[in-house]
Amino acid sequence: EAEVAQSPRYKITEKSQAVAFWCDPISGHATLYWYRQILGQGPELLVQFQDESVVDDSQLPKDRFSAERLKGVDSTLKIQPAELGDSAMYLCASSLDRQETQYFGPGTRLLVL
Amino acid sequence: QQQVKQSPQSLIVQKGGISIINCAYENTAFDYFPWYQQFPGKGPALLIAIRPDVSEKKEGRFTISFNKSAKQFSLHIMDSQPGDSATYFCAARGNTGFQKLVFGTGTRLLVSP
Repeated sequence: EAEVAQSPRYKITEKSQAVAFWCDPISGHATLYWYRQILGQGPELLVQFQDESVVDDSQLPKDRFSAERLKGVDSTLKIQPAELGDSAMYLCASSLDRQETQYFGPGTRLLVL
Repeated sequence: QQQVKQSPQSLIVQKGGISIINCAYENTAFDYFPWYQQFPGKGPALLIAIRPDVSEKKEGRFTISFNKSAKQFSLHIMDSQPGDSATYFCAARGNTGFQKLVFGTGTRLLVSP
């Protein structure tokens, strides 16, 4: 069964450092999502791509976060500089199209010291 | 108006019992209501979903009950098993704009043997 792949699974960094997360969606899925999940809360959408284009980044802190999906396949989410409050699980999901079921990857757990 | 309120925050049920988790929403533009199951260290996985044109959907031991007039929906897990112990999230998505999934805050379910 096809799965969404994410790496790394865990990342520990010091504040003010740069971090990057990678996501490989299920093959053929046009829509890709990055979510942030704070411990004890539900996932919150950071950015949504349709193919290589950003269609919703209204909740992305653009002063420090950036995301790209250059060829419309895999995607990278970057934080620079990281802050203590960025400690969370970062989840990637993909779907065939916007109205289809979202499939989540295992996430990257980030700890900022 | 984009919020989905979920209760209870945590739930303990004996093996064989019925687990019930409730959600409420305000935005009448929501037209898709999925439930996700998340085990520790994993991403959320779609469990069951409903659209507002039906009042109930059943898949195995899992049932969604939907009350459109009250803007509420609930997940019932019949014959709960220890393997059902996980965090459950309700969510909702609109049919216009970016069609973003909005998640509830989650319910941690523990099924005691």
